[in-house]
Amino acid sequence: NAGVTQTPKFQVLKTGQSMTLQCAQDMNHNSMYWYRQDPGMGLRLIYYSASEGTTDKGEVPNGYNVSRLNKREFSLRLESAAPSQTSVYFCASRTRTSGVRDTQYFGPGTRLTVL
Amino acid sequence: QQQVKQSPQSLIVQKGGISIINCAYENTAFDYFPWYQQFPGKGPALLIAIRPDVSEKKEGRFTISFNKSAKQFSLHIMDSQPGDSATYFCGGKGGSEKLVFGKGTKLTVNP
Repeated sequence: NAGVTQTPKFQVLKTGQSMTLQCAQDMNHNSMYWYRQDPGMGLRLIYYSASEGTTDKGEVPNGYNVSRLNKREFSLRLESAAPSQTSVYFCASRTRTSGVRDTQYFGPGTRLTVL
Repeated sequence: QQQVKQSPQSLIVQKGGISIINCAYENTAFDYFPWYQQFPGKGPALLIAIRPDVSEKKEGRFTISFNKSAKQFSLHIMDSQPGDSATYFCGGKGGSEKLVFGKGTKLTVNP
């Protein structure tokens, strides 16, 4: 199993350009998430999807849109990139379990720079 | 509103020492408290987690201590090793889908 995969690994955009970050998981998980990580700010939730066909806003959704294409894939779109969106983006997936192994599995990240 | 406050921001420990990272939460609905470990250039990975029905959880050299009345929990790394050098995030979660993370602690273990 590949786990959670993200493409691309690196991307440089100019202000105003658009792009879509792709995420896929092969663990048959229901829930998927998009986070951004900035120095000193930790991991902040952008959007999440509790199941196929549903999406909800997280802490920092402005400037982003998402699509839960099917159970495996969850994409993040920047319609008009801004320098403030320079960050490392992580996708994660989670299966609904009880106990202490309620785990989010993270992808390797996409490093985005907006000039 | 930051619901999970983590300290310190950075920590330097000698090999063989004890590393201690602290977190405080505000939301009394939280019932799941994980710690994630992140190595440079990688995504975070679950290290250890606890639910508030116990005051301590130990897995190898890693221990979570939980104080429900104070709304605080901490990660203790015994016999710290250079391979433990990473960024550690605490988190809190209630009945919703959302896991709230602290801002992270960069741990450096010197040989």
